[in-house]
Amino acid sequence: HSALTQPASVSGSPGQSINISCTGTSSDVGGYNYVSWFQQYPDKAPKLLIFDVSNRPSGISSRFSGSKSGNTASLTISGLQAEDEADYYCRSYTSSSTGVFGTGTKVTVL
Amino acid sequence: QVQLVQSGAEVKGPGASVKVSCEASGYIFTTHGISWVRQAPGQGLEWVAWISPYSGNTNYAQRLQDRVSVTTDMSTSTVYMELRSLRPDDTAVYYCARDWVAVSKGTMDVWGEGTTITVSS
Repeated sequence: HSALTQPASVSGSPGQSINISCTGTSSDVGGYNYVSWFQQYPDKAPKLLIFDVSNRPSGISSRFSGSKSGNTASLTISGLQAEDEADYYCRSYTSSSTGVFGTGTKVTVL
Repeated sequence: QVQLVQSGAEVKGPGASVKVSCEASGYIFTTHGISWVRQAPGQGLEWVAWISPYSGNTNYAQRLQDRVSVTTDMSTSTVYMELRSLRPDDTAVYYCARDWVAVSKGTMDVWGEGTTITVSS
């Protein structure tokens, strides 16, 4: 399973909403509702933002939301804040019972 | 509190093996799986392997499955990841993360601090 495809970078002004796409195939993203999203700051461990396509763990801001259509999942960050500047990765379960991450997206707050 | 504590950094030569530990505490060990994820310098995340302490089932990334194995020590709630025949491109930070118990669903809600493995001659 090849890495899921994400845009290399996305930017937005404070208060705006941005979307990050994550495109896979019917053998991963499209085949299962097991898509997760992670936020990572430099030299830090990733942090779970979304699991099972659209569920937020306790303590995660409602500004983060997830969805899926076909083979593409999306993360939306609404009310963009300076602290949202980080790298974001999607991740999916696959038909081989393995996991695959996306290529990663760097979010810049202008 | 729930935490995963990993072993310290290692430097290995090409062809050697390395075994990284991940000790779980603060929850019932058999209720969650453990995934391993690595990140090469300046690169993205790569899923490596998963184990269920409940069933003993394992899954490995296809491109690493001939060189990697994960095991558990139930007496100490510790998961081990061994990587053999090390190559320079195995140089990375290796993370363990708590995952779902039945399959590697990706609900990785607790992460270890990471273990840096450097492969160099």
